[in-house]
Amino acid sequence: QQQVKQSPQSLIVQKGGISIINCAYENTAFDYFPWYQQFPGKGPALLIAIRPDVSEKKEGRFTISFNKSAKQFSLHIMDSQPGDSATYFCAASPASGGGADGLTFGKGTHLIIQP
Amino acid sequence: NAGVTQTPKFQVLKTGQSMTLQCAQDMNHEYMSWYRQDPGMGLRLIHYSVGAGITDQGEVPNGYNVSRSTTEDFPLRLLSAAPSQTSVYFCASGQGANYEQYFGPGTRLTVT
Repeated sequence: QQQVKQSPQSLIVQKGGISIINCAYENTAFDYFPWYQQFPGKGPALLIAIRPDVSEKKEGRFTISFNKSAKQFSLHIMDSQPGDSATYFCAASPASGGGADGLTFGKGTHLIIQP
Repeated sequence: NAGVTQTPKFQVLKTGQSMTLQCAQDMNHEYMSWYRQDPGMGLRLIHYSVGAGITDQGEVPNGYNVSRSTTEDFPLRLLSAAPSQTSVYFCASGQGANYEQYFGPGTRLTVT
């Protein structure tokens, strides 16, 4: 059972464009929704995260939009740059006692920013 | 601070062999976890620990054992390696399960 569904699997965006990656979840016990960025040969690194008490969070060029009723959240990368080319994972974690205490990851999106 | 360190970086095992993947963190985090990453599968939680002496199973625990005798170390043991355990293994630590997780550089394991 895949509890976090991520799309698209791959995405090509022109430099300066907007990259959008979407995730949907099933477990209503999830209450923490991070996005991780991973470069080849490296471990994932936290990019931005949101909790369900807000509908949007922005950090620089990166924005998370969160729709609790639809159980969906998305990552927007504004003014995408070649250095943003990486694999992006959405994830979700339940409140303590809501299940296995750890992150459930989406399958990842391979993002390529063309110069 | 070194953050989260993992050894070895690469390992090749034969089916049936056992080994231990090492993980250490110097951030005094109570929460530590192990994930495996397979192509097209994302990262899947194997085991986790909320503090020294406390461990629990994640999504894919079969074939793996863990222990947590100190806050700093969280080794992952493969008891009898199988080709299905060929993967990249990541250790992570954080203040808690739903706080930022700091990942190590990974161990690439091949079982032949």
